[in-house]
Amino acid sequence: GQQLNQSPQSMFIQEGEDVSMNCTSSSIFNTWLWYKQDPGEGPVLLIALYKAGELTSNGRLTAQFGITRKDSFLNISASIPSDVGIYFCAGQLRETSGSRLTFGEGTQLTVNP
Amino acid sequence: GAVVSQHPSWVICKSGTSVKIECRSLDFQATTMFWYRQFPKQSLMLMATSNEGSKATYEQGVEKDKFLINHASLTLSTLTVTSAHPEDSSFYICSARRDSSGNTIYFGEGSWLTVV
Repeated sequence: GQQLNQSPQSMFIQEGEDVSMNCTSSSIFNTWLWYKQDPGEGPVLLIALYKAGELTSNGRLTAQFGITRKDSFLNISASIPSDVGIYFCAGQLRETSGSRLTFGEGTQLTVNP
Repeated sequence: GAVVSQHPSWVICKSGTSVKIECRSLDFQATTMFWYRQFPKQSLMLMATSNEGSKATYEQGVEKDKFLINHASLTLSTLTVTSAHPEDSSFYICSARRDSSGNTIYFGEGSWLTVV
């Protein structure tokens, strides 16, 4: 099946620093999604990307859909303690597969005040 | 925004018993729902795709007789873990694809299952 490689696996940063994480795939997707998961809860959608090359912002978050359709990155600017959590990328194929998502392994973010 | 609710949030059951987890889309219709399991510090692993009015499609390696899925209405899918064993203890998460908005998928809050 499709594999998503997400990096880094974990990050330890100081409050106020910027953060960048990315995902690469062995095959193309036509939608990239970024989720944040807090402990014991389901993932919450942060940003959705639908077109190759698309750059989308949501507050301090910025994500881009790679031109090759095989990668995406997420940037968080001026991090704050509540940014702590696990961030997952997910690729989606809008076809007869029922829009199933393939998830990356996650990036555990720790923000030190 | 769209809400997907799971129930129960957590459950403890005895080994050998069955437990049912519900996934409801509260304010939209969802022909397709998905069930995932997640072990601590790991990513979400898709177990099966649930389609209203038809049989679920299971991922390779997932026992369909052990993880029974019923999608009886456009707002409800259930996952029943039959004859549960301690190794079935996990975080189970559902998601629902909103019919009216293309392929937007919303996740439930997850259900913790502990089998003792």
